[in-house]
Amino acid sequence: GIQVEQSPPDLILQEGANSTLRCNFSDSVNNLQWFHQNPWGQLINLFYIPSGTKQNGRLSATTVATERYSLLYISSSQTTDSGVYFCAVGGYGQNFVFGPGTRLSVLP
Amino acid sequence: EAGVAQSPRYKIIEKRQSVAFWCNPISGHATLYWYQQILGQGPKLLIQFQNNGVVDDSQLPKDRFSAERLKGVDSTLKIQPAKLEDSAVYLCASSQPYRRREQYFGPGTRLTVT
Repeated sequence: GIQVEQSPPDLILQEGANSTLRCNFSDSVNNLQWFHQNPWGQLINLFYIPSGTKQNGRLSATTVATERYSLLYISSSQTTDSGVYFCAVGGYGQNFVFGPGTRLSVLP
Repeated sequence: EAGVAQSPRYKIIEKRQSVAFWCNPISGHATLYWYQQILGQGPKLLIQFQNNGVVDDSQLPKDRFSAERLKGVDSTLKIQPAKLEDSAVYLCASSQPYRRREQYFGPGTRLTVT
């Protein structure tokens, strides 16, 4: 099955800093999502992005499917951005596989 | 539009007891998923339904776990008998079928087995 890696595993930022989170996957995919899991455990959809670039406020994401990676950019980070960020990928006819996550802590 | 609903939110049981979790997906979503998330890890798929049929249950421990989706809407996941290693958050998600399978998750049920 598809292998998913995320980096870095942990990230500590000061409020206002920018960051880039990376998701690498081992095979072709036609489904890719980024999620934020807040401290209460809720998984919140950030982007559905099997290819291309999308932006939503301070967050943006880019997936280069041919190179088998996706990037999540967070600009001007806020304390409410803290939590774990997961990417989940699904190949053709295959179910989603989640990466191990990046734990982000934004300090005031 | 209402999101994915799950109940209960928390459950504490002793090992060897049984427990059941309920999920109501987003209206119109034919595909329903149950995931298990152990502390510090990403969610792991247990079972996927499309309407009321099972699409994938390859990672479901069938000796103790069972799931059903009657009438293609609500779903129930059961564990009997529970083991200590079943302590986890059980997440339900739903999506449209076919090409764009964007998943939406419920709040989860946190299970503690003592």
